[in-house]
Amino acid sequence: KAGVTQTPRYLIKTRGQQVTLSCSPISGHRSVSWYQQTPGQGLQFLFEYFSETQRNKGNFPGRFSGRQFSNSRSEMNVSTLELGDSALYLCASGAGGTYNEQFFGPGTRLTVL
Amino acid sequence: AQSVSQHNHHVILSEAASLELGCNYSYGGTVNLFWYVQYPGQHLQLLLKYFSGDPLVKGIKGFEAEFIKSKFSFNLRKPSVQWSDTAEYFCAVHSGGGADGLTFGKGTHLIIQP
Repeated sequence: KAGVTQTPRYLIKTRGQQVTLSCSPISGHRSVSWYQQTPGQGLQFLFEYFSETQRNKGNFPGRFSGRQFSNSRSEMNVSTLELGDSALYLCASGAGGTYNEQFFGPGTRLTVL
Repeated sequence: AQSVSQHNHHVILSEAASLELGCNYSYGGTVNLFWYVQYPGQHLQLLLKYFSGDPLVKGIKGFEAEFIKSKFSFNLRKPSVQWSDTAEYFCAVHSGGGADGLTFGKGTHLIIQP
């Protein structure tokens, strides 16, 4: 089975711009979660989608948003980029059951200049 | 809010030494517990998980972890480490029954010297 794929792998943007990241989950998985990883804050939960609905959201400003399509692929959008948004953004997919075991993709490295 | 503490941020060991990485969490209810590993240049991989049952769980590559409910702990162990175990290790907790994401500890950077 193919793993979780994320595109693009690297991205450079400037402050004020917006960015869209994409994630394709493992085939058959209906849950997609997004995490932000930085050296200072570590791994932080952004939000989770299941069957095209946002199930839960972490403690991030409204500039961070996402969506999930009927084929379970997910996109994450960050508007009005700030320097502090520079991070590795990880996507994880899961079968979506109670136990919420998740499988991670390689991440998208976003650099904001 | 749930929080996860990993006591050691950096650990340096020699090959064949025994390893124990500490992890404590704050949530008092039902939890699912995980250890993930991130090898240099690679993505996060699941080492082992605890959902219920035997509190001593075995994972891949000879790792094991013990869930001690009374201590809110889920420590990772390996009796004899190898150079290839050099990586970042993350403890993560999911509050059972909810739809929250994983709460991660800050990670432990493990370096194994040959």
